[in-house]
Amino acid sequence: QVTLKESGPALVKPTQTLTLTCAFSGFSLSTIGMRVSWIRQPPGKALEWLARIEWDDDKFYSTSLQTRLTISKDTSKNQVVLTMTKMDPVDTATYYCARTFLSGTAGYFDYWGQGTLVTVSS
Amino acid sequence: DIQMTQSPSSLSASVGDRVTITCRASQSISSYLNWYQRKPGKAPKLLIYGVSSFQNGVPSRFSGSGSGTDFNLTIRSLQREDSATYYCQQSYSNPWTFGQGTRLEI
Repeated sequence: QVTLKESGPALVKPTQTLTLTCAFSGFSLSTIGMRVSWIRQPPGKALEWLARIEWDDDKFYSTSLQTRLTISKDTSKNQVVLTMTKMDPVDTATYYCARTFLSGTAGYFDYWGQGTLVTVSS
Repeated sequence: DIQMTQSPSSLSASVGDRVTITCRASQSISSYLNWYQRKPGKAPKLLIYGVSSFQNGVPSRFSGSGSGTDFNLTIRSLQREDSATYYCQQSYSNPWTFGQGTRLEI
């Protein structure tokens, strides 16, 4: 059974760095083809993909946020960590991690965590 | 980045109706198009991937079609539990992008 769970601070101040952890089970990021992504959704707005890390440690980032994001993995702990620098109130959102499938014919997020709400406010 | 545009942004329908949600990509994305359902307080749920393939457990009243730049999600025989926001998403090229969502009220 695949599960993912996000954790991190519920409140951060502007200019601070956010660190979120995705703890997962039911698969291993050392398995060829496995990937985990971070996605967020500001209140009342659309979903926005942020970053993806792959079994071979390849990393991909949102074009608009790539200078602020870092994604990493700890395979032994079954965790993926996302850091976002220079937090701003517009970054207030529910942050999700999701297992990511990608083949020659399709790519999608097949299992999602429940999400963690992060509010940016002084 | 590839822009995904959904229409309508919201719609209201009745139990038993058939509805279609449209998603248009700013360039061809072949068949790399997925649909998700998002209910308040819950994580998004994958409904359809690769335009028309069902994720496990998705009712057959949901169907997807299209290719290139224009895609549809059709829901036949609407049920009350179909009330949600629906998102399309492309995985043709990085960064993967979502549509802005279609809110369906039953």
